[in-house]
Amino acid sequence: ETGVTQSPTHLIKTRGQQVTLRCSSQSGHNTVSWYQQALGQGPQFIFQYYREEENGRGNFPPRFSGLQFPNYSSELNVNALELDDSALYLCASSGLDGYTFGSGTRLTVV
Amino acid sequence: AQRVTQPEKLLSVFKGAPVELKCNYSYSGSPELFWYVQYSRQRLQLLLRHISRESIKGFTADLNKGETSFHLKKPFAQEEDSAMYYCALFLSGTYKYIFGTGTRLKVLA
Repeated sequence: ETGVTQSPTHLIKTRGQQVTLRCSSQSGHNTVSWYQQALGQGPQFIFQYYREEENGRGNFPPRFSGLQFPNYSSELNVNALELDDSALYLCASSGLDGYTFGSGTRLTVV
Repeated sequence: AQRVTQPEKLLSVFKGAPVELKCNYSYSGSPELFWYVQYSRQRLQLLLRHISRESIKGFTADLNKGETSFHLKKPFAQEEDSAMYYCALFLSGTYKYIFGTGTRLKVLA
């Protein structure tokens, strides 16, 4: 698998719960970025990880957190889920050849 | 503030007609602009970037710094062009994109 893979593809959670989304980066890419795409909106930057450290953050509250592992894969964690967190979450890995997006995880909070 | 505006949520054209998807940006630095496309049930994929000045699938886009625009054009639309199109400003200092809200293009037979 050389592209960006995300798991799970779909997820339903209850308000107040916590969720972890996973992303495997494309081979050769060492930077991972996460975006939130709400219905009818363009993707919005959440944060980025480079060499296992957060390397930039968008306008999202601290209950959105992440990790990057030595193999450059990444997790997005969201605590205390709110109804407005329902969205498509996109992971993108990047390297010298540019950005590659994954297919996303569709999170529904009920 | 950095911003990308796509004024049209939906654009419907007939097959063979010209297409122009509008994009305006706000950025104080030297912009790097891209168009991404998302076909039904597929992932977001790069269509073209202003730096390369290339034509992909018949689409072109010219950066107009005076009008702060980066409109996407195609002289003859095809049904397979039906998709969601996003204009994006890349901030090379932070290595992140600012996306517009997207325009859904529908090409009618």
